[in-house]
This record gives sequence, structure tokens and C-alpha cells, in this order.
Amino acid sequence: EVQLVESGGGLVQRGGSLRLSCAASGFTFNDYRMNWVRQAPAKGLEWISFISAASSLMYYTDPVKGRFTISRDNAKNSLYLQMDDLRSEDTAVYYCVRGARNTNYFDSWGQGTLVTVSS
Amino acid sequence: QSALTQPRSVSGFPGQSVTISCTGSNTDVGDFRYVSWYRQHPDKAPKLIIDDVNNRPSGVPDRFSASKSGTTASLTISGLQAEDEADYYCCSYGGSYTWIFGGGTKLTVL
Repeated sequence: EVQLVESGGGLVQRGGSLRLSCAASGFTFNDYRMNWVRQAPAKGLEWISFISAASSLMYYTDPVKGRFTISRDNAKNSLYLQMDDLRSEDTAVYYCVRGARNTNYFDSWGQGTLVTVSS
Repeated sequence: QSALTQPRSVSGFPGQSVTISCTGSNTDVGDFRYVSWYRQHPDKAPKLIIDDVNNRPSGVPDRFSASKSGTTASLTISGLQAEDEADYYCCSYGGSYTWIFGGGTKLTVL
């Protein structure tokens, strides 16, 4: 069974940093592209970052470019999101999401971790 | 890129059919065949219900179907059941390993 378990969320002050982690199990992690998707309170879903299976490609949505960094450690079956210079609009539940192989949809989601940025 | 446009809410009685539209542009929905659909129950993580070639994952009934024409994609749920009540999101590939979600539609089963 595919499992994605996020951790690292919490309360942080504006301008601060936080590092999210996602532990993957139940599949061959280094075969899959991975993503982070977030959801602000009572709002819709927003894709924020992508990383290829071998970490050769990384992409971000414009609002987080230059502030967030996606990375992965295939030896540890783990995905990360380093978030710097956090803003109030970054307050959201952050989901670790697996990209389906050889196509462009998301086939497995973690349960999410809440990040709250206080002013 | 702006979010894809979905109706904020739709409703129907049990047994009826509802359709949720998802309108994008020529740089996302209209340019790529990759539109997928997700369902989110309250306080739960989203789950895939239809992939980008209109396949349903195991466990998703064939009451759920999807289509696309031009810059608009649609999700149809037939034979509405109480457990279908949830938020539904479309998602389009936007090129260069980026994706755009719709704003979400709240389905109420009356």
C-alpha cells in the first residue's frame, strides 16, 4: 500500500523558515516524480512544486519561487520542502503528492501537514 | 497562471445526475489532454477519481465520467448518492512540469 506521511508543520513567525518532510513507503520511491500541493484554510488546492525522480528537474509556482526549495533523498525514501521567508499567505495544509508514471496526474496524496504563519 | 474556473456549488437529489464544469484557457485545458479530477471529503486529503485518460482508480464507481471539449472539461456524476457529497477539483497540466487546479466545487446531495 502506498503511504505518504508528512511532518514538520507548525506555527512560525512571518519571515521565518520551516522544513517539511514526507516519508514514502509501499512503492519504489526513486521511480516516481513527486510534488507538493497546498490548501489554504477554506480555499482550493494549489500546486506549488515538482521534482523529477532523479532530482534533475525542479519547478515552482511563481508565489513561492526563490523562497521554497524542493528536494528528495531517494536512499531515505523522503521528500522535502524547505520554506524560507514565510508569509501569512503561505498558511495552508501542505500535501506530499505522488505523480503518476509517464503522465501528468497525481495518483497518491499524503494526509497533509498544517503550516501557520503568524504576523 | 489563474485557477481554472469551476462553479462554486452544485446540487442534486439522490439518483439524479450532475455535471461540474472546469474552464481553462488555450495554455492549459485547451492545450493538453491532461485533465484529472479529485474528490475531497471534509477534513480529508484529496483523492484521484478520474485520471487524464478518463480511467477511474479501483474503487471509484462507473457513475463518475469525464469529458473535455476545447478549453472546458466536465465531470458527470450519475445516480447521485449521499456519499458523493464532497468538494471536487479539476486539475490541468500547464506545461513545463506545472499544474493548475480549479477553484473547487461543493456538491450537495439534497
